[in-house]
Amino acid sequence: EVQLVASGGGLVQPGRSLRLSCAASGFSFDDYGMHWVRQAPGKGLEWVSGISWNSGSIAYADSVKGRFTMSRDNAKNSLYLQMNSLRAEDTAFYYCAKDKGGEITPQAGGGWFDPWGQGTLVTVSS
Amino acid sequence: DIQMTQSPSSLSASVRDRVTVTCQASQDISNYLNWYQQKPGKAPKLLISDASNLETGVPSRFSGSGSGTDFTFTISSLQPEDFATYYCQQYDNLPFTFGPGTKVDIK
Repeated sequence: EVQLVASGGGLVQPGRSLRLSCAASGFSFDDYGMHWVRQAPGKGLEWVSGISWNSGSIAYADSVKGRFTMSRDNAKNSLYLQMNSLRAEDTAFYYCAKDKGGEITPQAGGGWFDPWGQGTLVTVSS
Repeated sequence: DIQMTQSPSSLSASVRDRVTVTCQASQDISNYLNWYQQKPGKAPKLLISDASNLETGVPSRFSGSGSGTDFTFTISSLQPEDFATYYCQQYDNLPFTFGPGTKVDIK
């Protein structure tokens, strides 16, 4: 069974940093692209970032570009999101999700989110 | 960015009702559209891919149709476990974008 377990969320002050992790199991992690999707409490879904199987393609939403860095360690079956210069508007549940194939760009057939992890809550507040 | 709209934003329905949700893209996305179900406190779940392809294990009362800019999601006979919020999502272009969601609750 595919399992994705996100961790690392918490309360952080504006301008500070936080690193999220996602532990994957139940599938060949190094064969698949991965994504982070967030959801502010009571709001809709926003794609944040995606990374291809070999980290050759990494993409970001404009709202986080230059502040967030997505990475992966295939040897550890783990995904990361380094979040710097956090803002109040970054407050959300952050979900990791698996793509259907190794690539994450639409041209290469990426852009699916299935399945999703349980989410970890990031609260940015003073 | 491709903007996704959904209607209605919410609806109230009874068990065994037929429910239809529409999703519109701001430009042609062919059939590069997914539908997700999200229950309170849970992560979303992929129900339909490529606009009309039912994912493995998803009940056949769920269906999707459409291409280009206009899409429809239907529950043929609403069951108690179907009360949730439904989102469409395009994967034709980066950034991937979602509709605002349609909340289906009990009448």
